[in-house]
Amino acid sequence: GAVVSQHPSWVICKSGTSVKIECRSLDFQATTMFWYRQFPKQSLMLMATSNEGSKATYEQGVEKDKFLINHASLTLSTLTVTSAHPEDSSFYICSARERQGSAIGWQFFGPGTRLTVL
Amino acid sequence: DAKTTQPNSMESNEEEPVHLPCNHSTISGTDYIHWYRQLPSQGPEYVIHGLTSNVNNRMASLAIAEDRKSSTLILHRATLRDAAVYYCIRARGGSNYKLTFGKGTLLTVNP
Repeated sequence: GAVVSQHPSWVICKSGTSVKIECRSLDFQATTMFWYRQFPKQSLMLMATSNEGSKATYEQGVEKDKFLINHASLTLSTLTVTSAHPEDSSFYICSARERQGSAIGWQFFGPGTRLTVL
Repeated sequence: DAKTTQPNSMESNEEEPVHLPCNHSTISGTDYIHWYRQLPSQGPEYVIHGLTSNVNNRMASLAIAEDRKSSTLILHRATLRDAAVYYCIRARGGSNYKLTFGKGTLLTVNP
């Protein structure tokens, strides 16, 4: 299957700092990318959807000013957690979908980024 | 609202078939059924998806009930590497669907 990478795989930061996570589709063009968050022993929660060149669409309850998403190219999306606090500590997972005309597109997930805010 | 119901956990033995059920009684005609699995501390991995007909690939088979209100993911010979949380997701067809994850089924494979 197609490969989606994330960088970094883990990050530890101090409270109040900002952290940027990169998501890349390595062998396909991703017209749509998604960002999920997963707390321990819980399921994935969709945070936002972004289409290349457009503003991201955030799910209800997700602060768009806190979680900045940029999808500037067909192979790269970034999530910036601004002014991170300990409650933002979580496993962040990106996903990328390859458009296949009008047919259902394949969706692939990155390996995740473990964020720990001290 | 994940819109699907799965058992919290299942157990199987290595090299035996595993049938993972999923109930999606409110599925609409345009909804696809997707299966993903997630190993600990990893992102989800695509397994299979289908609409009406049964589907087979190198990883698994998907059996969809005639009324589409339920489906079963079949792993033909479970291995230890198949131990994971399996998610059954229904999502509208087309290119703009969103995958909403429920709690999934934790599959344990015994050696």
